[in-house]
Amino acid sequence: GENVEQHPSTLSVQEGDSAVIKCTYSDSASNYFPWYKQELGKRPQLIIDIRSNVGEKKDQRIAVTLNKTAKHFSLHITETQPEDSAVYFCAANLGGNQFYFGTGTSLTVIP
Amino acid sequence: GAVVSQHPSWVICKSGTSVKIECRSLDFQATTMFWYRQFPKQSLMLMATSNEGSKATYEQGVEKDKFLINHASLTLSTLTVTSAHPEDSSFYICSAPRVTRYEQYFGPGTRLTVT
Repeated sequence: GENVEQHPSTLSVQEGDSAVIKCTYSDSASNYFPWYKQELGKRPQLIIDIRSNVGEKKDQRIAVTLNKTAKHFSLHITETQPEDSAVYFCAANLGGNQFYFGTGTSLTVIP
Repeated sequence: GAVVSQHPSWVICKSGTSVKIECRSLDFQATTMFWYRQFPKQSLMLMATSNEGSKATYEQGVEKDKFLINHASLTLSTLTVTSAHPEDSSFYICSAPRVTRYEQYFGPGTRLTVT
């Protein structure tokens, strides 16, 4: 099966700075990569996703980049705000309904 | 948007008892649902895939006789933790794809505490 690794496990940034979270995957057949934000005790919420035919996607302060050759993808959050503090998960999908999740990154934005 | 609900949101039970957790897709039909387990500050670990009208598919290391899954209808899947022990205490989350894999919706989770 697919194996997704995520780094760093914890990340602290000053408000207004950028945050970058990186994930690698093992199966080159994976072709869909969503990112989820999870606040404590709540459900994961999809914040952005990218398909394998695209190298970059941006939505306001959030962007995701994908390098298929290297099998890694990254989440970029610019102009961070305290409400961005949460746990972020990357995931990879091979084409069916099953998703393989990264280990999560706990992001803290310091006011 | 599509909604997936879970019930209960929090349950405390005594060791040795069984607990049933429900996962419902409120405005769409889900022939497949997924059950995850999440420990504090850790990732979601897929436990099993629930299939409407057939047996669930369990991930390696998950005891099927302990975690009973029943996909009774196109909108309901249940997870029963049998003979619960304190080590079963965790956050259990279900998810369901709405139409395609690109639309994966998560339930709000159920926090199980076994005393």
